[in-house]
Amino acid sequence: GAVVSQHPSWVICKSGTSVKIECRSLDFQATTMFWYRQFPKQSLMLMATSNEGSKATYEQGVEKDKFLINHASLTLSTLTVTSAHPEDSSFYICSVTGLGDYNEQFFGPGTRLTVL
Amino acid sequence: RKEVEQDPGPFNVPEGATVAFNCTYSNSASQSFFWYRQDCRKEPKLLMSVYSSGNEDGRFTAQLNRASQYISLLIRDSKLSDSATYLCVADTGGFKTIFGAGTRLFVKA
Repeated sequence: GAVVSQHPSWVICKSGTSVKIECRSLDFQATTMFWYRQFPKQSLMLMATSNEGSKATYEQGVEKDKFLINHASLTLSTLTVTSAHPEDSSFYICSVTGLGDYNEQFFGPGTRLTVL
Repeated sequence: RKEVEQDPGPFNVPEGATVAFNCTYSNSASQSFFWYRQDCRKEPKLLMSVYSSGNEDGRFTAQLNRASQYISLLIRDSKLSDSATYLCVADTGGFKTIFGAGTRLFVKA
């Protein structure tokens, strides 16, 4: 499967600041990446689909102006949480897909965001 | 109704036991199904894909029942290391996938 990295692995920030999370596909050119959010003891919730060279597709209820996604190259997508608030504290995970006939996804290690 | 529904558990089983999880999906157009394993505070990792003909990998067997729209995961001879949350996943008939909330398994010595 694909090797996916995320940076940073964890971040603590003050309310009102912006946080950028990077997702890199290390051995696969990913035209599509997904961004998920997971709250404690809950499942992964798809936030948006990141498409290389075009605008991201956001899921219903996800504010695109708050969660900025940039997929500038085939190996890098970034998620910026703007003006973060405590309720944005969560586990953010990216994934790549499309390696085969089935839509298996390979996940990055995740970024744990804590907003004070 | 949730698009992918699982019993959250937890399932507490002794080592060596056989345990089965079921998962239902609501979208009849779904074509791809998977089981992922997620350890505490870690990312999900693909356990196995679920094919129409079923899929077996060592102690793990996955089945798909399209008529009833459910998939199952059977774990035989449970090990302590099998303790994790198991996520059921179905696609939406397209490129996106929907995750179930997960079933927690605790295997005890």
